[in-house]
Amino acid sequence: QQPVQSPQAVILREGEDAVINCSSSKALYSVHWYRQKHGEAPVFLMILLKGGEQKGHDKISASFNEKKQQSSLYLTASQLSYSGTYFCGTAQSYGNNRLAFGKGNQVVVIP
Amino acid sequence: DSGVTQTPKHLITATGQRVTLRCSPRSGDLSVYWYQQSLDQGLQFLIQYYNGEERAKGNILERFSAQQFPDLHSELNLSSLELGDSALYFCASSISGGDGYTFGSGTRLTVV
Repeated sequence: QQPVQSPQAVILREGEDAVINCSSSKALYSVHWYRQKHGEAPVFLMILLKGGEQKGHDKISASFNEKKQQSSLYLTASQLSYSGTYFCGTAQSYGNNRLAFGKGNQVVVIP
Repeated sequence: DSGVTQTPKHLITATGQRVTLRCSPRSGDLSVYWYQQSLDQGLQFLIQYYNGEERAKGNILERFSAQQFPDLHSELNLSSLELGDSALYFCASSISGGDGYTFGSGTRLTVV
C-alpha cells in the first residue's frame, strides 16, 4: 500500500529548517528515504528500521514513530543541494523488502 | 556511478513493438527490483528477483515480463507497447532487506 507524503511541496530559504512526513496505514518493518534530482536516479539517504535502528546519511536526520507508522525527515540548516524530490519507501517485513513509494515531497531551497 | 548499470538510456519505439531493458546490479547485491516512474504515479513497483528467482510481483502488466540470469543481471521485456507505457524504468539492487536500494540511472522509454 502506497504511503502518503506531506506536504506535497516546500519552498525554503538557504539556512532554514523543514520537516517532511511519510505515513502508512499498515504496520511497517522499515522506512527508506531517497532524494531524486531532476533527470537523475533516486539516491539513498536513510533507512529506519522497526526497533529503532537507523542507517544512512550523516547530515540528515529522521525519526520513525512505530505507534503511528509515521516517519519524518528533518532538513536542518538547508543548503541549495537539498533541493529535489524526496521519496519515502516502506516495507512491511524483512523478508518482503520490496518498497512501496509515496508520491514524493518536492523541496526547493532558494538563496 | 552508482554501480547499477542500465541500458539503453533512451529508447524510442512505435506502438505494438517489443523492447528489452537490461540491468546489471551492484557487485555483491543479490536482489534486483524494477520500478516504473511516470509523472502522475510516482515510483510503481513492478517485480523483484533474488538470486535468480522471482520474489515478488507488483502491478506488472501481463504484456511485461522479466528474468534474472545466473550472472545476476536482469532483463525487463515489454511487448505490445502502448502510448501509456512511456515512462522512466528504473532498476535497483540491494544486498538484503535491511539495506537501502541503489538505483541505476534509468531507461527513458518513449512510445510513439
